Amino acid sequence: SYELTQPPSVSVSPGQTASITCSGDKLGDKYACWYQQKPGQSPVLVLYQDSKRPSGIPERFSGSISGNTATLTISGTQATDEADYYCQAWDSSKVFGGGTKLTVL
Amino acid sequence: QVQLVQSGAEVKKPGSSVKVSCKASGGTFSSYAINWVRQAPGQGLEWMGGIIPIFGTANFAQKFQGRVTITADESTSTAYMELSSLTSEDTAVYYCARQATSAFDIWGQGTMVTVSS
Repeated sequence: SYELTQPPSVSVSPGQTASITCSGDKLGDKYACWYQQKPGQSPVLVLYQDSKRPSGIPERFSGSISGNTATLTISGTQATDEADYYCQAWDSSKVFGGGTKLTVL
Repeated sequence: QVQLVQSGAEVKKPGSSVKVSCKASGGTFSSYAINWVRQAPGQGLEWMGGIIPIFGTANFAQKFQGRVTITADESTSTAYMELSSLTSEDTAVYYCARQATSAFDIWGQGTMVTVSS
């Protein structure tokens, strides 16, 4: 079955840039999307089709994809960005990555 | 703006079944796929399957084939997910989510299902 690999945790200082990667076989041939989930809340879509932001998502969230790796980048990270982030490969299986806990400290 | 409102928490015995509902309000229901995603305590997200109400056809993750049933009632704008032969490993929060352009753009509030003897 298809698998996506994310680092378990990423730490960043406030105001700095955070990058979270997501790797999977031939991921570049599919669309990737990203979700943010805060404790006790439902996931929220922050990027779709690799790099597009839904309405209401701040411009500091951006995305890219190259080869087998998709990257979520948060510029000027704020304390409110501390959350779990999940990538998802968009094909028939709609599999999720294991999630990355972003800590802002 | 479309909202998805799910049914309340459930406690089930091992071997039984659970049926969770997801009612859409405030927008078009039938033409968007509704998917089901679960999250075990302290774990990540796991896609289970989805349905396009206007077509009535569902697809499932291989792991859940034969054990999950996903249906939709267009007249009430409600989707359902039924999971059978429950074990303790099915204890999780179950989410419904609307599928838009290559992503799940709207999520329900989640339904906690606890499987315990």
